[in-house]
Amino acid sequence: QVQLQESGPGLVKASQTLSLSCTVSGGSISGGTYYWNWIRQPAGKGLEWIGRIYPSGSATYNPSLKRRLTISIDTSKNQFSLKVTSVTAADTAVYYCARSDRPYDDWFDPWGQGTQVTVSS
Amino acid sequence: QSVLTQPPSASGTPGQRVTISCSGISSNIRSNTVNWYQQLPGTAPKLLLYRDNQRPSGVPDRFSGSKSGTSASLAISGLQSEDEGDYHCAAWDDSLNGPVFGGGTKLTVL
Repeated sequence: QVQLQESGPGLVKASQTLSLSCTVSGGSISGGTYYWNWIRQPAGKGLEWIGRIYPSGSATYNPSLKRRLTISIDTSKNQFSLKVTSVTAADTAVYYCARSDRPYDDWFDPWGQGTQVTVSS
Repeated sequence: QSVLTQPPSASGTPGQRVTISCSGISSNIRSNTVNWYQQLPGTAPKLLLYRDNQRPSGVPDRFSGSKSGTSASLAISGLQSEDEGDYHCAAWDDSLNGPVFGGGTKLTVL
C-alpha cells in the first residue's frame, strides 16, 4: 500500500526558510485523482492544514499562511515539497504529509510518520 | 485556536462507552461531512471515521460517529486500554476552502 515519508532539517533559524520533502512509495504520485497535503501540529496543540498540491502542479494554501508558502511536486522523483519563508517560533511543529482523494469535503489517508521542525532564535 | 471545538479531555474505564463531541458552524460541519482521526501516543494521526460514520477497513465497529446540525460526536463502546490517545475531528470549511480541525481530545482509560 501507499506510504509517505517526510524528510528535511529538524532545526531552522528564525527568519530563514523551512524546506521539507515527502516521498511517496508503493504507488505513483501522479496515478489516480489524489491530492498531496501538508499538515502540522505544534506540541500539545491541534492539527492545522497547511496546503495541498495536485499532480498537475496546481496548489491550494491555507489563507492564514499563504503569503509564506510554496508547495511543489516532482513526479519524476515521486515527491512533493513544502517551503515556508520567514519562519518564527510559531512555525515550530511536527509536520506531516498526507494524501486525500477529492477536491473538497475530503479526508486524509494515509499519513506520513511526521518530522519535527524546531525554529531557533 | 482551532476552528472546531472539542473537549480537551475525556476518560472512561475498560468496557465503558465514551463519547467525544465536536462543535462547528454552518460553513463546516453543517455543510460538509465530519472525519475523525485517532492519534496513539508518539504516532501520526490515523483515519478512524470518514463521511460522519464510515469506518475504513480494519477499524473495529466499537467506533461510531454521528452528526446533527453543527455538531458531531464520536462514540467508543467497549473501551479498551489501547484506545488511549488523542482524537481529532475535522471537516471541510466552505469559507476557508480547505479542511479545519478541532483541538483534539485526550482520551484516558482509567
